[in-house]
Amino acid sequence: DGGITQSPKYLFRKEGQNVTLSCEQNLNHDAMYWYRQDPGQGLRLIYYSQIVNDFQKGDIAEGYSVSREKKESFPLTVTSAQKNPTAFYLCASTVVRGTGELFFGEGSRLTVL
Amino acid sequence: GNSVTQMEGPVTLSEEAFLTINCTYTATGYPSLFWYVQYPGEGLQLLLKATKADDKGSNKGFEATYRKETTSFHLEKGSVQVSDSAVYFCALSETFQGAQKLVFGQGTRLTINP
Repeated sequence: DGGITQSPKYLFRKEGQNVTLSCEQNLNHDAMYWYRQDPGQGLRLIYYSQIVNDFQKGDIAEGYSVSREKKESFPLTVTSAQKNPTAFYLCASTVVRGTGELFFGEGSRLTVL
Repeated sequence: GNSVTQMEGPVTLSEEAFLTINCTYTATGYPSLFWYVQYPGEGLQLLLKATKADDKGSNKGFEATYRKETTSFHLEKGSVQVSDSAVYFCALSETFQGAQKLVFGQGTRLTINP
């Protein structure tokens, strides 16, 4: 079955530690995205990538980093510079030059203790 | 910039009631419009979409019509079920420097009581 796999589903970390969230897709989509979800605030775009080895900052990129070494993979690192990292993180993908419809993974919930 | 505004929640209804969740948008040009649904602890699933003015998207009894004159895309369902309890997000697509992105509303939490 084609889809987007995020791991881990739940993650607990101590303050000051970097954390990497995995996102893999087998939909053959060129574009991938990371969104952050906080209660009552909708989804905010962190980073996006239209093609391998290229990515752009979204609206709230500070304290985060990404890489896009393979078409299928777009990992997100939450660094110690992120002031309030506890949130639900959603990865998505889509075809380039389509209707803009995004396909989402199941999400990763990060809690910083 | 482009933006989406949804009616504030939470919304609580009884089973078989009529549902409307309002969504209005501000955008340059004519973006595609979407409704996504999120069940507890899960990612977002596309519920329906409309790609041009006067298009009606529909799925699982839900409907929304792309109204250019009122810049709206209200979600409706004639008879809701307990299983419809979820958070609903309205979104529009925008293209910036060749990249397509979705801009989301803040979400509306819907609870259906038996």
